[in-house]
Amino acid sequence: KNEVEQSPQNLTAQEGEFITINCSYSVGISALHWLQQHPGGGIVSLFMLSSGKKKHGRLIATINIQEKHSSLHITASHPRDSAVYICAPETSGSRLTFGEGTQLTVNP
Amino acid sequence: DGGITQSPKYLFRKEGQNVTLSCEQNLNHDAMYWYRQDPGQGLRLIYYSQIVNDFQKGDIAEGYSVSREKKESFPLTVTSAQKNPTAFYLCASSFRAGGPDTQYFGPGTRLTVL
Repeated sequence: KNEVEQSPQNLTAQEGEFITINCSYSVGISALHWLQQHPGGGIVSLFMLSSGKKKHGRLIATINIQEKHSSLHITASHPRDSAVYICAPETSGSRLTFGEGTQLTVNP
Repeated sequence: DGGITQSPKYLFRKEGQNVTLSCEQNLNHDAMYWYRQDPGQGLRLIYYSQIVNDFQKGDIAEGYSVSREKKESFPLTVTSAQKNPTAFYLCASSFRAGGPDTQYFGPGTRLTVL
């Protein structure tokens, strides 16, 4: 069993839809990161959170430490949100364990 | 502009040759990391460094070597001992080591071994 499980693996949405990507992990963590990878390969950090909820623009990330689960939500999705979204729990010593990613495609 | 750079973007090498991938940052970050990404798989940690002149093996260090002689630079050498070196290599850095911190990624180098 992988230490990090993301679902769904692939997601296609229409512009304007509300999107949820889920992440479950089995390791003890000091924080959890959500990353965005664009088709060219570049990766951008979206959130780092260790409890509760964070919001940045149309993106919201939540985490439940007891249940070892995090979600990334995108409100009013747009074609420019099309990318791979990666969940990465951080264990001690600043080491990240990466999920395989969720490929999101938002159609106009 | 502050940031993290990797060069080259694409690299082709013949089997059996060593190759060095460059990673430079001007963010004044203490920690630096090298990751490998293969199709359909999550990123995997090759090596990381929390301070100058010190580095630790990650999960897949065999066939790779690194150095950290300067704070700004963390080059990765892919040696001929690496059995399957064709992959996308990403370098990252974070301000501090040993605690939760945002990692900033370079644009990556796509290595193809012919």
